[in-house]
Amino acid sequence: QKEVEQNSGPLSVPEGAIASLNCTYSDRGSQSFFWYRQYSGKSPELIMSIYSNGDKEDGRFTAQLNKASQYVSLLIRDSQPSDSATYLCAVNKSGNTGKLIFGQGTTLQVKP
Amino acid sequence: GAGVSQSPSNKVTEKGKDVELRCDPISGHTALYWYRQSLGQGLEFLIYFQGNSAPDKSGLPSDRFSAERTGGSVSTLTIQRTQQEDSAVYLCASSPDPNTGELFFGEGSRLTVL
Repeated sequence: QKEVEQNSGPLSVPEGAIASLNCTYSDRGSQSFFWYRQYSGKSPELIMSIYSNGDKEDGRFTAQLNKASQYVSLLIRDSQPSDSATYLCAVNKSGNTGKLIFGQGTTLQVKP
Repeated sequence: GAGVSQSPSNKVTEKGKDVELRCDPISGHTALYWYRQSLGQGLEFLIYFQGNSAPDKSGLPSDRFSAERTGGSVSTLTIQRTQQEDSAVYLCASSPDPNTGELFFGEGSRLTVL
């Protein structure tokens, strides 16, 4: 079992729709969770962090965390073609706050 | 306000040769990370430094891989006797505080082993 799992996609949504990206993790003691965006040929950049169960909203982005189910998600409202990228879920290992483990990423395609 | 700088940006080498990849983090960032990304894959953790020490080396794929960081700044990742499976983009990132999970990535070093 991979430590952080994501569906590689591609996930294709029409412009203006809600894109839902999902991630599961195996380390039940993990406390910190992150979403990074990586455009093709570029390096990843942090877009959201979440530490507590529930929802965290930032503009068109909402991160959701359910520690009991070991599940993290990212919702993108009013998806734009410029949101087309690979979204990487990352988790801090419990007991080792410096080690950030990434999933393989989900490729999102937003079609005009 | 320069970002994370990596060199070389591209490296083509022959199987069996040694290579060195360099990372210059953002000034003042205490944590430094090395990841590897193969084509179409996610980021594979290699090693992370807090200051000059490496609390976790568990991601290094084999004893052909080593890394060091000096002066709490520049880091070098060395791959000895390169193999074709070492071909990937090697990404370096730095962070002012590893607890935040906010990593600032360099543009990467693309390694091709022929």
